[in-house]
Amino acid sequence: GAVVSQHPSRVICKSGTSVKIECRSLDFQATTMFWYRQFPKKSLMLMATSNEGSKATYEQGVEKDKFLINHASLTLSTLTVTSAHPEDSSFYICSARGSGRTSDTQYFGPGTRLTVL
Amino acid sequence: AQKVTQAQTEISVVEKEDVTLDCVYETRDTTYYLFWYKQPPSGELVFLIRRNSFDEQNEISGRYSWNFQKSTSSFNFTITASQVVDSAVYFCALSEARNAGNMLTFGGGTRLMVKP
Repeated sequence: GAVVSQHPSRVICKSGTSVKIECRSLDFQATTMFWYRQFPKKSLMLMATSNEGSKATYEQGVEKDKFLINHASLTLSTLTVTSAHPEDSSFYICSARGSGRTSDTQYFGPGTRLTVL
Repeated sequence: AQKVTQAQTEISVVEKEDVTLDCVYETRDTTYYLFWYKQPPSGELVFLIRRNSFDEQNEISGRYSWNFQKSTSSFNFTITASQVVDSAVYFCALSEARNAGNMLTFGGGTRLMVKP
């Protein structure tokens, strides 16, 4: 149980284009999902917390107009990197907060490696 | 404010050696959760264990064991008889109980390399 998927796993795009990343909880409902960014050989940096049916809460320093987050259902959150630039290249990981007995644990997706040319 | 410190950035061992990954944390809360996650080269973070602050009992799961010591604010992770497949980055993390499931504070991670 508590499986989280991400799609795509890898994406290469041209500078100026927008990229959408999907995060799904496959076998549980997640009222809260999280988006992290990880630079090479670094720890995870929380970008935003996404609650189903409401606006995401962004961490300080994260541009909300740049990184659009939508959490339209209890099993799906999306992150759209708008007008991507090479400095947006990174590994993006989502997580979902479990439900019931596991509501105090975050379960992570496999990550999406974004490369902006 | 919460803080998690993993002082060992990289550890290299030979297969079958035992290895301990250190984790020291800081929090003002009396109730909190501690976690360990494994990140293999594929990138996915794999949940290993969750421990709440009231449960200081050590835990063993196969070759993995965890030593929680509130007196020293440490939550160390030991792999016994390491294997090449254990090679990964391991993260220790903390969340306060009032935000349990939210606001994970990660340590910097320890890269473990197990050589055959």
